Amino acid sequence: DQQVKQNSPSLSVQEGRISILNCDYTNSMFDYFLWYKKYPAEGPTFLISISSIKDKNEDGRFTVFLNKSAKHLSLHIVPSQPGDSAVYFCAATHGSGNTGKLIFGQGTTLQVKP
Amino acid sequence: KAGVTQTPRYLIKTRGQQVTLSCSPISGHRSVSWYQQTPGQGLQFLFEYFSETQRNKGNFPGRFSGRQFSNSRSEMNVSTLELGDSALYLCASSLDRERDEQYFGPGTRLTVT
Repeated sequence: DQQVKQNSPSLSVQEGRISILNCDYTNSMFDYFLWYKKYPAEGPTFLISISSIKDKNEDGRFTVFLNKSAKHLSLHIVPSQPGDSAVYFCAATHGSGNTGKLIFGQGTTLQVKP
Repeated sequence: KAGVTQTPRYLIKTRGQQVTLSCSPISGHRSVSWYQQTPGQGLQFLFEYFSETQRNKGNFPGRFSGRQFSNSRSEMNVSTLELGDSALYLCASSLDRERDEQYFGPGTRLTVT
């Protein structure tokens, strides 16, 4: 069963516009969510995270929104830059002692066109 | 500070063989996790080791195993390889403070023929 889902395999946006990547989850026990970015031939790199006690977390051009009632989170990138073109994974975990166990979605490939 | 390193980077094996992949975490990191990435499945959690003990385990068959050494380096082993084991295997390490982010290595690309 896929507990974390990214239903859009790909997204294409114009440079300077907003990119919105979505993620849904089914396990109500998840209490910490993360976004990772992955370039080809590299491992994923951490972007931003959010705890379930918050509904928004912002870091520069990146903002993550969490809607617990809908079990939905989204990553907003404003403004989008060509260097943001990569695969984006959302991930979730819960409880203590589970920091090393992340449940990932399938990923969304973002293409930012100049 | 050196990042997470994984060896080898690429590997080609035949069905039925076994393979061992190695991961060296960032210095000072004690938690090491392994993930399998395949097209369409995203990253799937295999297992996590902390202080030489398996702390968490994903839903993979017993053919997948791992271990961690006293210096926190970790190995994973896959026995009786199947074509479906072809994937990118990623290792990640963290300090293991609560909610620490995981740092990933570049992965080992395993191809089973």
